Amino acid sequence: DQQVKQNSPSLSVQEGRISILNCDYTNSMFDYFLWYKKYPAEGPTFLISISSIKDKNEDGRFTVFLNKSAKHLSLHIVPSQPGDSAVYFCAATLNSGGSNYKLTFGKGTLLTVNP
Amino acid sequence: SQTIHQWPATLVQPVGSPLSLECTVEGTSNPNLYWYRQAAGRGLQLLFYSVGIGQISSEVPQNLSASRPQDRQFILSSKKLLLSDSGFYLCAWSVLGVQFFGPGTRLTVL
Repeated sequence: DQQVKQNSPSLSVQEGRISILNCDYTNSMFDYFLWYKKYPAEGPTFLISISSIKDKNEDGRFTVFLNKSAKHLSLHIVPSQPGDSAVYFCAATLNSGGSNYKLTFGKGTLLTVNP
Repeated sequence: SQTIHQWPATLVQPVGSPLSLECTVEGTSNPNLYWYRQAAGRGLQLLFYSVGIGQISSEVPQNLSASRPQDRQFILSSKKLLLSDSGFYLCAWSVLGVQFFGPGTRLTVL
């Protein structure tokens, strides 16, 4: 059972436009959500996170929105830059569920930003 | 600042050979440590995690094992590699719910 789903395997946008990456989850117990960016042959890099007590968190060009009723979150990148081209992973965890902080990852979305 | 190291960066091994991948973390004490595998075209699969020295939890039954002989050292091992063990192996450590990943090891089993 895939508890975190990224239904779009790929997304292509023009430089300067908005990129919107989507993620759905099924486990209503998840209370902390993260986005990671991954270049080929490198480890994922943490981008931004959001707690379930919030519906929006912003950090520079990156904004994450959380809709708990829909069990949906999205990552907005504005404006998109060619260097943003990478695989983006959505992850969720039970932050209040103990000290192990296991993350459940989606399968990723490949973002391509065209110059 | 904290840094995480993995080695080797790439490895090509024959089927049936042993495996040892090492991960070390600097700049933090008593971190939670994790091993993930990313198979071709797939997401990140958690293999093992550890909340302290000698404490290992396995997430999936498999041909691999993990050990944590020191506070900031995490080792992934196998006695006999299978073709299906090929993939990109990632070590991570966490603080306050956020996991930080190492550079990864590309393992090819032939």
